[in-house]
Amino acid sequence: EDQVTQSPEALRLQEGESSSLNCSYTVSGLRGLFWYRQDPGKGPEFLFTLYSAGEEKEKERLKATLTKKESFLHITAPKPEDSATYLCAGLNNNDMRFGAGTRLTVKP
Amino acid sequence: GAVVSQHPSRVICKSGTSVKIECRSLDFQATTMFWYRQFPKQSLMLMATSNEGSKATYEQGVEKDKFLINHASLTLSTLTVTSAHPEDSSFYICSASGGTSGGTDTQYFGPGTRLTVL
Repeated sequence: EDQVTQSPEALRLQEGESSSLNCSYTVSGLRGLFWYRQDPGKGPEFLFTLYSAGEEKEKERLKATLTKKESFLHITAPKPEDSATYLCAGLNNNDMRFGAGTRLTVKP
Repeated sequence: GAVVSQHPSRVICKSGTSVKIECRSLDFQATTMFWYRQFPKQSLMLMATSNEGSKATYEQGVEKDKFLINHASLTLSTLTVTSAHPEDSSFYICSASGGTSGGTDTQYFGPGTRLTVL
C-alpha cells in the first residue's frame, strides 16, 4: 500500500537553529513529491514539487531534496515566522497521498 | 498565480440542514478539483476528485449521496453536505490542479471552510 511517513511529528527549534524534516515514501509509480506549508486554520500553501531523485529546489530559507526513498526539507537559520505544519505528499497515477505533517515551532 | 478561493470560510448550521461550499480557481482553469476533509492535528483526507462536466469519483467510505459534488465549469466546484449532523463538523478544503506555475499536477489549495453542525 502506498504510504507517506513524516518525521519528526513535532520539532521545536531556536531561531537560527538549522534542521531538516524527513518524508519517507513508498508510492508506486511516483510522479511527483510535493511539499506544502499549512498554518493553523488555513489551507496548505504550495512550496515545492520534486520529480526525480537528485533534484533540489530552494526558496528563501527552505531547500527540498529528493532521493529514491525519501525527501528532506532543510530549513536554514529559521525565523519564528517559519513556524507552521509542513506536509509532504506523493503523487502516483491515481491520487495524492499526504503524510501526517511535521509541526515546526521556532522560538525567538 | 494559481489562487483558489473558498466560500464561506465558516458556517454554523443546525442538524438536518444542508450546506453548500464553493471552490473557485481565480486565475487559472482547473482541469481537476479535489475535496478534502481535515480533523484537528491530522492530515488531509481525500474525499473526492472531480473533473469538469463529469461525475465525481469518491474515495472509499465517503457517501456520495451525503456529500454532493458538482463541477459545473473549469473554475467552479461545489460541495453540498446534505442533512448535516454533528459528526460532519470538520474543516473542508478544496484544491485545484491545472495551473502552469508549479506544473499541471500541482494542487493549489483554498483557504478552507470550517463547518460546525449543532
